[in-house]
Amino acid sequence: AQTVTQSQPEMSVQEAETVTLSCTYDTSESDYYLFWYKQPPSRQMILVIRQEAYKQQNATENRFSVNFQKAAKSFSLKISDSQLGDAAMYFCAYGSGSARQLTFGSGTQLTVLP
Amino acid sequence: SQTIHQWPATLVQPVGSPLSLECTVEGTSNPNLYWYRQAAGRGLQLLFYSVGIGQISSEVPQNLSASRPQDRQFILSSKKLLLSDSGFYLCAWSDWGGGMNLYNEQFFGPGTRLTVL
Repeated sequence: AQTVTQSQPEMSVQEAETVTLSCTYDTSESDYYLFWYKQPPSRQMILVIRQEAYKQQNATENRFSVNFQKAAKSFSLKISDSQLGDAAMYFCAYGSGSARQLTFGSGTQLTVLP
Repeated sequence: SQTIHQWPATLVQPVGSPLSLECTVEGTSNPNLYWYRQAAGRGLQLLFYSVGIGQISSEVPQNLSASRPQDRQFILSSKKLLLSDSGFYLCAWSDWGGGMNLYNEQFFGPGTRLTVL
């Protein structure tokens, strides 16, 4: 079974600075996808970014980018120029190419300091 | 565009009472549907998922059940609530095998906050 580990329960960053959230996963599959979801205080889950395992190029969405290290099974999220609205719980998720389910990590609570 | 609705938004129920939470999706057909529970400050626990009408898979044995009476409707039920059923319940949908979503990413509803007293 796949597992997703987020080893940082809490992180903080100064406004306008950069922060990196860590995620590791364990799988024996070769075809899979990885996601970062954001859950603000409203608790609405919002997709931030996704990465296909077969792509070597790291995904980027505006201020959000990932560092995907397939051999190390690592998938970290970098948030540049942090804004107060980035404060949220961030979940890393694994999606198998052969299944219809996602496996979520336990989350990292990000605080943005003004 | 696709939208997903959940209701009610908030619910307070006594122990032993029944439960019915509803989730509907618009703008897509034959979606995969999911029910998750999230305890305060914790991650998401998959409860049920469905790949079609009447097809329900249970991930966690408990006193909850799910049904899918229509293609885009997913219902979470209980005959008798327990204190441990309190939490935040999220419904999600995903596409499979084509369409806009080739990567089985899931789209979430706004959630229902359930408090069992």
